[in-house]
Amino acid sequence: AQKITQTQPGMFVQEKEAVTLDCTYDTSDPSYGLFWYKQPSSGEMIFLIYQGSYDQQNATEGRYSLNFQKARKSANLVISASQLGDSAMYFCAMPQRSGSARQLTFGSGTQLTVLP
Amino acid sequence: EPEVTQTPSHQVTQMGQEVILRCVPISNHLYFYWYRQILGQKVEFLVSFYNNEISEKSEIFDDQFSVERPDGSNFTLKIRSTKLEDSAMYFCASSPPSSGGATYNEQFFGPGTRLTVL
Repeated sequence: AQKITQTQPGMFVQEKEAVTLDCTYDTSDPSYGLFWYKQPSSGEMIFLIYQGSYDQQNATEGRYSLNFQKARKSANLVISASQLGDSAMYFCAMPQRSGSARQLTFGSGTQLTVLP
Repeated sequence: EPEVTQTPSHQVTQMGQEVILRCVPISNHLYFYWYRQILGQKVEFLVSFYNNEISEKSEIFDDQFSVERPDGSNFTLKIRSTKLEDSAMYFCASSPPSSGGATYNEQFFGPGTRLTVL
């Protein structure tokens, strides 16, 4: 079974600076993917970015990018030019490859606080 | 943009009562999921549903839980006899059909139902 580890329970960053949120994973699947979701204090889960293990280049979506290092089994989220609205909980997740559905296994999350 | 909706947003119930949490997935999606998140903890998978039957379920999803897609649009989670430890945020999610065996199968989450069991 997949395992997702987020070792930073809380992170602080100054507004306009970049921040890296760590995520490591463990899977025996040769083909897999990693998602990042943002959960603001209001509670909803917002999809940010995805990368598949066979993607050649690191995924980017606006200010979000994935630093994907397969050899180290890490898929860190980089947020550039942090904004106050980025303060939220961030979850890394991996689809479970069993059955026809692909339920997500989540990490424990990192609470990011952006300081003015 | 299509979105997953959930009702109610908050539900307060007495221990031992039955609750039904409702979700309307995105219309052309085929896979449906329920997750729960106990306050301050990570999101945990409960059950997935495909082709009108349960595809996978976790050990959390015991006999007290059931899911249904009664009318082709709603997707419900029923907790038969609620316990204090069922207090959590419950998320419904849906995803489109897989294409070419890709692992990318973005799940669109609803806003959640906060269930409080007293």
